[in-house]
Amino acid sequence: EPEVTQTPSHQVTQMGQEVILRCVPISNHLYFYWYRQILGQKVEFLVSFYNNEISEKSEIFDDQFSVERPDGSNFTLKIRSTKLEDSAMYFCASSGTGGADTQYFGPGTRLTVL
Amino acid sequence: QKEVEQNSGPLSVPEGAIASLNCTYSDRGSQSFFWYRQYSGKSPELIMSIYSNGDKEDGRFTAQLNKASQYVSLLIRDSQPSDSATYLCAVRRSGGSYIPTFGRGTSLIVHP
Repeated sequence: EPEVTQTPSHQVTQMGQEVILRCVPISNHLYFYWYRQILGQKVEFLVSFYNNEISEKSEIFDDQFSVERPDGSNFTLKIRSTKLEDSAMYFCASSGTGGADTQYFGPGTRLTVL
Repeated sequence: QKEVEQNSGPLSVPEGAIASLNCTYSDRGSQSFFWYRQYSGKSPELIMSIYSNGDKEDGRFTAQLNKASQYVSLLIRDSQPSDSATYLCAVRRSGGSYIPTFGRGTSLIVHP
């Protein structure tokens, strides 16, 4: 069964450093998403991406965040200058040919900022 | 502000019992409702989606929706220890945004 994959599974970085989180969505999906979940808190939407551009973003997704689909398979989230409060699980999700289709989540990347 | 509220629990039930999980939401424009299961340290996994008032059954799971009262519930029959997880309610408005708003989840413990 096709699935969303994410790398790395765990990323440790120093405050102020740049990190890139990678995702490979399900191959025939067209809508891509990033969410984060701070330990013990709710899943929060960051950004959605369709047709090579951002379709929606939340207040959390400020100028330090960016997304890119550098090729036909990868979808990346870049955090330019990490802060302690960026420590969280970051989930990538994808959905099919319609934005209302079910979103399938990847296993997540645990980001730890020291 | 769209809010989705869940009792954080933990809800503890014996094996074989019915577990009842509840969720209320504030946005009357909500049209799509989802229940996800999340094991500790893992990603959310979709269990059920429901769009119309009433009950929807899938195996041991039944989702119930009451739009007038703005609540959605999940019943798990014949609960198993493997059902022990956090259950997330997610709500989505129709049209425009496809982004669901998640609740904080209810922790369920099924003890043998």
